[in-house]
Amino acid sequence: AAGVIQSPRHLIKEKRETATLKCYPIPRHDTVYWYQQGPGQDPQFLISFYEKMQSDKGSIPDRFSAQQFSDYHSELNMSSLELGDSALYFCASSLKDFGNTIYFGEGSWLTVV
Amino acid sequence: AQSVTQPDIHITVSEGASLELRCNYSYGATPYLFWYVQSPGQGLQLLLKYFSGDTLVQGIKGFEAEFKRSQSSFNLRKPSVHWSDAAEYFCAVGARGGGFKTIFGAGTRLFVKA
Repeated sequence: AAGVIQSPRHLIKEKRETATLKCYPIPRHDTVYWYQQGPGQDPQFLISFYEKMQSDKGSIPDRFSAQQFSDYHSELNMSSLELGDSALYFCASSLKDFGNTIYFGEGSWLTVV
Repeated sequence: AQSVTQPDIHITVSEGASLELRCNYSYGATPYLFWYVQSPGQGLQLLLKYFSGDTLVQGIKGFEAEFKRSQSSFNLRKPSVHWSDAAEYFCAVGARGGGFKTIFGAGTRLFVKA
């Protein structure tokens, strides 16, 4: 079965640079979530989209922005990168009904040097 | 506010022994509860979920969990642990907050000794 696809899987950027992560949800899933997991930490919710509209916002820095496109894929844009942004970024998707299971991608490793 | 507590940062069990990972949640309504497993450097894999109905939930890889409303708990169990079960386990609650999101506990690292 198709899963959530994230790209790139690994990314190395320098401080103050910009990075973009992409997420392709499971087909027919209309809700996308972004999570950030720092080393040894639990995943922290950043932001979610339902039907291309932002549905919820968590601890996403102002330097980050995200959107969901007409084909339901989503992109997380991170600017003015800081060393502390180094983390594993997960995308997840689900169907619109609350409580439906969310399925996670393998994550994108961002290293800021 | 919704929260999830996993009291044990790490647990070590012998291969073949039984396992119980604890999870307590705080949520104002009937929660949607999940257990995920994460191997090193890997994504999160769903083990099982509880939405309603039978409070004993069966999952993949021989895991089960029991929802106890009176104790606000959703402990994960496995009768016989295999070395391949060594991983990080996250308990999570589905929360509504202007949209949909899942709140994770801090995780419990499981070590399996031969």
